[in-house]
Amino acid sequence: GQQLNQSPQSMFIQEGEDVSMNCTSSSIFNTWLWYKQDPGEGPVLLIALYKAGELTSNGRLTAQFGITRKDSFLNISASIPSDVGIYFCAGRSGTASKLTFGTGTRLQVTL
Amino acid sequence: DAGVIQSPRHEVTEMGQEVTLRCKPISGHNSLFWYRQTMMRGLELLIYFNNNVPIDDSGMPEDRFSAKMPNASFSTLKIQPSEPRDSAVYFCASSGSADYGYTFGSGTRLTVV
Repeated sequence: GQQLNQSPQSMFIQEGEDVSMNCTSSSIFNTWLWYKQDPGEGPVLLIALYKAGELTSNGRLTAQFGITRKDSFLNISASIPSDVGIYFCAGRSGTASKLTFGTGTRLQVTL
Repeated sequence: DAGVIQSPRHEVTEMGQEVTLRCKPISGHNSLFWYRQTMMRGLELLIYFNNNVPIDDSGMPEDRFSAKMPNASFSTLKIQPSEPRDSAVYFCASSGSADYGYTFGSGTRLTVV
């Protein structure tokens, strides 16, 4: 089945630093999504990418859909304490409703 | 919109008891998904419905798990009998046909002792 490898598994950074995380797939996706999960809550959609090469920003967040359609990255600039949480990538192939989720990157921000 | 509503938020039950988790999707969304989240396995898709019809239940771990969607505004996930290894956070999510992302509920934290 499809697998999404997300890296790094965890990150400890200082406030103000930039963050980069990525996701790679063993197969092609036609949609990439990035979610953030706060403690005790469900994941919340941050950014959606719909075509290869697309670069999309949402405030301090920037994500790109890889040219090969098998990878995506998420950057967070000038991190702040509320960026703490688990970030998940997710991909969809074909016309199926089902998303495949990555294993998550746990982000900790220290003052 | 109130979002995806799950109940209860927390459930503690004894091994062998029946557990029923409930979900109300966003009005107008036609796809509903049940996920289980654990530290070891991450987010696992258990089952999903399109237009109230189960499409893929290959993620349901065993016959002790069952899910229903009697109408567009309600779904249940039932575990009978429950076991300690079922302890996890169970999420419901919904998606509209024009959407590409899911909206998740806040989850039900299940503890089976």
